[in-house]
Amino acid sequence: GENVEQHPSTLSVQEGDSAVIKCTYSDSASNYFPWYKQELGKGPQLIIDIRSNVGEKKDQRIAVTLNKTAKHFSLHITETQPEDSAVYFCAASGVDSNYQLIWGAGTKLIIKP
Amino acid sequence: GAVVSQHPSRVICKSGTSVKIECRSLDFQATTMFWYRQFPKQSLMLMATSNEGSKATYEQGVEKDKFLINHASLTLSTLTVTSAHPEDSSFYICSASLRLAGTNEQFFGPGTRLTVL
Repeated sequence: GENVEQHPSTLSVQEGDSAVIKCTYSDSASNYFPWYKQELGKGPQLIIDIRSNVGEKKDQRIAVTLNKTAKHFSLHITETQPEDSAVYFCAASGVDSNYQLIWGAGTKLIIKP
Repeated sequence: GAVVSQHPSRVICKSGTSVKIECRSLDFQATTMFWYRQFPKQSLMLMATSNEGSKATYEQGVEKDKFLINHASLTLSTLTVTSAHPEDSSFYICSASLRLAGTNEQFFGPGTRLTVL
């Protein structure tokens, strides 16, 4: 079945710097790749997603890139702010997983003031 | 964006009692709802998938008689933890999917913190 690996598990960056979180997936049939932000004690919030027919998507300070050949996708956050501190999860989905989300292990992002 | 609510947000109960958690899609009709469980510092673990009007599909290792799921309408799904025990204490999260035109986006509720004493 599909497997998603996420790195790093913890990322600490200085406020204003960029943060990059990477995920790899195993099932080449996966076609949907969302990123979720989860704050302590809350449910995950979709922040950006990308489908397999595009290579990059951007929304203000957040961008996601997808390399289908290498089967990896990355989240990029620029000009980080203290409110970006949270746990970020990547996921992959497709027909082989019956459209269920297969989750990465999560990355704890710490923004240092 | 699509909004999903959960109730209650937090519940504390005695061992042996049953607890019901509601999940509602507020501004859209959800063809499919998902129930997850999350332990501290871990990723989400899918418990079951439910489609409106049909029986839920449980993941391997999840006891269907312990975690009863009812998806009575396109906007409401309930999870009942029966005869709860301390090991059932966890953060339970639901999500709802639009499943339109092949989309598989999931929108998550705020979660329910269950503590069993």
